[in-house]
Amino acid sequence: GQQVMQIPQYQHVQEGEDFTTYCNSSTTLSNIQWYKQRPGGHPVFLIQLVKSGEVKKQKRLTFQFGEAKKNSSLHITATQTTDVGTYFCAGSLRDYKLSFGAGTTVTVRA
Amino acid sequence: NAGVTQTPKFRILKIGQSMTLQCTQDMNHNYMYWYRQDPGMGLKLIYYSVGAGITDKGEVPNGYNVSRSTTEDFPLRLELAAPSQTSVYFCASSYGDRGGPYGYTFGSGTRLTVV
Repeated sequence: GQQVMQIPQYQHVQEGEDFTTYCNSSTTLSNIQWYKQRPGGHPVFLIQLVKSGEVKKQKRLTFQFGEAKKNSSLHITATQTTDVGTYFCAGSLRDYKLSFGAGTTVTVRA
Repeated sequence: NAGVTQTPKFRILKIGQSMTLQCTQDMNHNYMYWYRQDPGMGLKLIYYSVGAGITDKGEVPNGYNVSRSTTEDFPLRLELAAPSQTSVYFCASSYGDRGGPYGYTFGSGTRLTVV
């Protein structure tokens, strides 16, 4: 079955630094979505990417969908304590459900 | 709009007991899902539904049952609870078409402990 792999599993970041988390699929995706889950909370939808090579920005977050539509990345600049949480990517294969990656858990050192 | 509402928020069950986790959404989404999340782990799909009267199994359906009699409601039934079912359960809904599901809206979760 489809697998979406996400790396790294953990990211420890100094406040103010940048970091990137990566998502890779074994098959071509129709779209990819990103979610954020704060500690003790529920996942919250951030963004959906549909087109090959698409890049979208949300303030300090930059999301990219690969040319082959098999990989994606989330880059956060100038990390803040509010960025703490787990970031999940989720791929769609034009069926009825998403395949979620295992998530990247981000901690921030002040 | 309330979004996706899950009840209860917390529950402790004894081994062998049964219960129903309630989920309702007011966004007229056609797709609904149940996930479980074990501590420090990702999301595992239990069951999903693409519309009223239609349900299908996800990755980990054993020990659970669902029904979807209306667009709004998607209850999850646990029969004969086991300690392995201790987890946080999330219900989610989305609009979907031939391109697949759009962004999920998750409920706030039910924290279930089986002792």
